Amino acid sequence: EPEVTQTPSHQVTQMGQEVILRCVPISNHLYFYWYRQILGQKVEFLVSFYNNEISEKSEIFDDQFSVERPDGSNFTLKIRSTKLEDSAMYFCASSEFGAYGYTFGSGTRLTVV
Amino acid sequence: GQQLNQSPQSMFIQEGEDVSMNCTSSSIFNTWLWYKQDPGEGPVLLIALYKAGELTSNGRLTAQFGITRKDSFLNISASIPSDVGIYFCAGPRMDSSYKLIFGSGTRLLVRP
Repeated sequence: EPEVTQTPSHQVTQMGQEVILRCVPISNHLYFYWYRQILGQKVEFLVSFYNNEISEKSEIFDDQFSVERPDGSNFTLKIRSTKLEDSAMYFCASSEFGAYGYTFGSGTRLTVV
Repeated sequence: GQQLNQSPQSMFIQEGEDVSMNCTSSSIFNTWLWYKQDPGEGPVLLIALYKAGELTSNGRLTAQFGITRKDSFLNISASIPSDVGIYFCAGPRMDSSYKLIFGSGTRLLVRP
């Protein structure tokens, strides 16, 4: 079964450092997303990406965040200067179209110390 | 804004029992998705519902898309220990077909 792959599974970083979280979406999917889940809370939308540009972003996705599709297979989330409150599970997802085939990766646990 | 309210928040049941959980909203949804999340893992899609009134099964799981389009339920029959996890309902916002809103989840614990 096709899957969304995320690396690393766990990242620990110092406050103020830059981190890049990586994702390989399902190959025939056209829409890519990042979500965040703070421990014990619900999953929250960060950003969606289609046709090589951001299609929507939430108020959480401020200037410290950026996304990129550097090649035909990877999709990355960069946090420029991490804060303690950025500690969370970050999930990448991809879908064929809209809500169809919406598949999540197993996540990257980011811990900012 | 659109919100999804899930109930119950948690359930602790005996293996073999049936389970029912639901999700309601004050707004209409055109799609309902049910996900299961195991500890430290991402949400895994269990059932997708695209049409009001639709009743769909996936093994021991059955979900229905409410006629009013404001609710959905998920039933699990004959629960087993591996059903333990958090079950989330989710749906795309009406002003967007891309981003999902998630409910707060139902935590299921199964006693062997």
